[in-house]
Amino acid sequence: NAGVTQTPKFQVLKTGQSMTLQCAQDMNHEYMSWYRQDPGMGLRLIHYSVGAGITDQGEVPNGYNVSRSTTEDFPLRLLSAAPSQTSVYFCASSTDRGKYEQYFGPGTRLTVT
Amino acid sequence: AQKVTQAQTEISVVEKEDVTLDCVYETRDTTYYLFWYKQPPSGELVFLIRRNSFDEQNEISGRYSWNFQKSTSSFNFTITASQVVDSAVYFCALSEANTGTASKLTFGTGTRLQVML
Repeated sequence: NAGVTQTPKFQVLKTGQSMTLQCAQDMNHEYMSWYRQDPGMGLRLIHYSVGAGITDQGEVPNGYNVSRSTTEDFPLRLLSAAPSQTSVYFCASSTDRGKYEQYFGPGTRLTVT
Repeated sequence: AQKVTQAQTEISVVEKEDVTLDCVYETRDTTYYLFWYKQPPSGELVFLIRRNSFDEQNEISGRYSWNFQKSTSSFNFTITASQVVDSAVYFCALSEANTGTASKLTFGTGTRLQVML
């Protein structure tokens, strides 16, 4: 049981490049979310999903796309990276069964130059 | 809109001191969840506790205790006899209690705790 996994751990992009941050969970959780963490700002919700095929925007969705074709995977796409997207990205999953505890992945540190 | 305020940006204590981390929240929801997470220097987010809004009973887990006061919209976290391993950034968070929306957390900006020998 690996929990929530994220790849890559580190990434450097040039402005305008695109990339996908991968997130997978093996706990059969319905809900998955993406957050970004910036110094002094805590974590902010980018996008979330309540099930396969259903996604919605969070607090800071601009510049990011998501899709949820399976329960396990929830990739985050940056279509045209900007320096303002330099951040640490966390993926999380949770379930209505039992506790409403969000399980977080280890994070991806992204630098856009 | 929901909001979580952690007014203490950074706290330094000497080992074995008790320390309280403050958390004040705002929400229009009548039912909601409150959380505390720990982020050690390694960077991962470690779940500490979840409390729902209709359970105001305080909780103790070892050296950790939480004081939830709905009347003042506060959910404070106390570490008793602090240790160096407690050095971390601590986040308070809030979510609605409706199905699905519990996956949407609003975080405070965090309190960095440094415990010195």
